[in-house]
Amino acid sequence: GAGVSQSPSNKVTEKGKDVELRCDPISGHTALYWYRQSLGQGLEFLIYFQGNSAPDKSGLPSDRFSAERTGGSVSTLTIQRTQQEDSAVYLCASSGRNSYNEQFFGPGTRLTVL
Amino acid sequence: SQQGEEDPQALSIQEGENATMNCSYKTSINNLQWYRQNSGRGLVHLILIRSNEREKHSGRLRVTLDTSKKSSSLLITASRAADTASYFCATDADTNAGKSTFGDGTTLTVKP
Repeated sequence: GAGVSQSPSNKVTEKGKDVELRCDPISGHTALYWYRQSLGQGLEFLIYFQGNSAPDKSGLPSDRFSAERTGGSVSTLTIQRTQQEDSAVYLCASSGRNSYNEQFFGPGTRLTVL
Repeated sequence: SQQGEEDPQALSIQEGENATMNCSYKTSINNLQWYRQNSGRGLVHLILIRSNEREKHSGRLRVTLDTSKKSSSLLITASRAADTASYFCATDADTNAGKSTFGDGTTLTVKP
């Protein structure tokens, strides 16, 4: 079956612009995660959606970051007024409720803020 | 700070040798997972070990878990050049919360 997909694969933007990153999880997966990975670093947790529960936003670095998950499926991560330090790879993952949180990752979106 | 911390940060070995990576964590966990990341790509799940398990095998992978020391190790036997990648451990302190905490990873280079 189809895996997790993300779009765009690459995004170059100018400082101060808003960007939207999209994630399509595996069909039927109830949980969706967003992470950020800077070059050569580990994964920084951003936000977690589980079913209809309120999302865990504890990892969002500032109020310029927000995310939505519509209809329990597709998710959009929005970064407003981008800064150069936002440059990173943004990874999305999804998991099923009975899989002990084994996460299936998308290929990521590489964001470059000039 | 990260819940999981991998050691070493980088490891370089010859093809055919074994590679051992370690992960230490701080709080009690329900399970620990190892993931692999090839350069520029998403992570791929390798193996999960539950807190009541001490060792688990999958092909050339062997994972151990010592909850008393809050540490885990990943052993790759008979390494191949294709094993070159970054390896991350992820801990779940509460499976209901669903939020895995990843370490910074070990970068493994296997020379042919």
